[in-house]
Amino acid sequence: QKEVEQDPGPLSVPEGAIVSLNCTYSNSAFQYFMWYRQYSRKGPELLMYTYSSGNKEDGRFTAQVDKSSKYISLFIRDSQPSDSATYLCAITLSASKIIFGSGTRLSIRP
Amino acid sequence: DAGVIQSPRHEVTEMGQEVTLRCKPISGHDYLFWYRQTMMRGLELLIYFNNNVPIDDSGMPEDRFSAKMPNASFSTLKIQPSEPRDSAVYFCASSFGRTYNEQFFGPGTRLTVL
Repeated sequence: QKEVEQDPGPLSVPEGAIVSLNCTYSNSAFQYFMWYRQYSRKGPELLMYTYSSGNKEDGRFTAQVDKSSKYISLFIRDSQPSDSATYLCAITLSASKIIFGSGTRLSIRP
Repeated sequence: DAGVIQSPRHEVTEMGQEVTLRCKPISGHDYLFWYRQTMMRGLELLIYFNNNVPIDDSGMPEDRFSAKMPNASFSTLKIQPSEPRDSAVYFCASSFGRTYNEQFFGPGTRLTVL
């Protein structure tokens, strides 16, 4: 079993829709949860970072962590064509290497 | 700051040749990471350094791969001999303070081994 599982997509939604991206993980000891965004032919860049269970909001983006279910989500409200990218979840223990999900390719149709 | 700098951006080589990828991290960052990204396996951590010292190289696929960080501003990833299955995009990233702090990625080196 992979330590982090992520549906690769692709996911295609119309502009303005709410997008839900998800990952599951296997190790309940993981403490830090991140979402990176990667545009085509670019390196990933950090989008959201959270430590605890619950929700964290930043503009149109909300990161949600449910440690009891070992499930993390990223919601994008009012999606825009510029949100079209690959989204990678990333998790880690303290002072340990980060493990990335395989990424979900998202396309927002104008 | 110019961000993480990688060279070359593209490399095409023949099987059996030696390949050297280069990385200049962001000034002041004390962690440096080398990743490989493929469609099949996603983004995989190969090795990371803290203060120029290799900490975890468990992701290095085999002895053909080696990485060095002779100083705080330069690192290399070498593949010798290269094989077609090494074809991938190789990213270098750097961060400050902790492994889970924001990692800043370079633009990547797209390697094709024929």
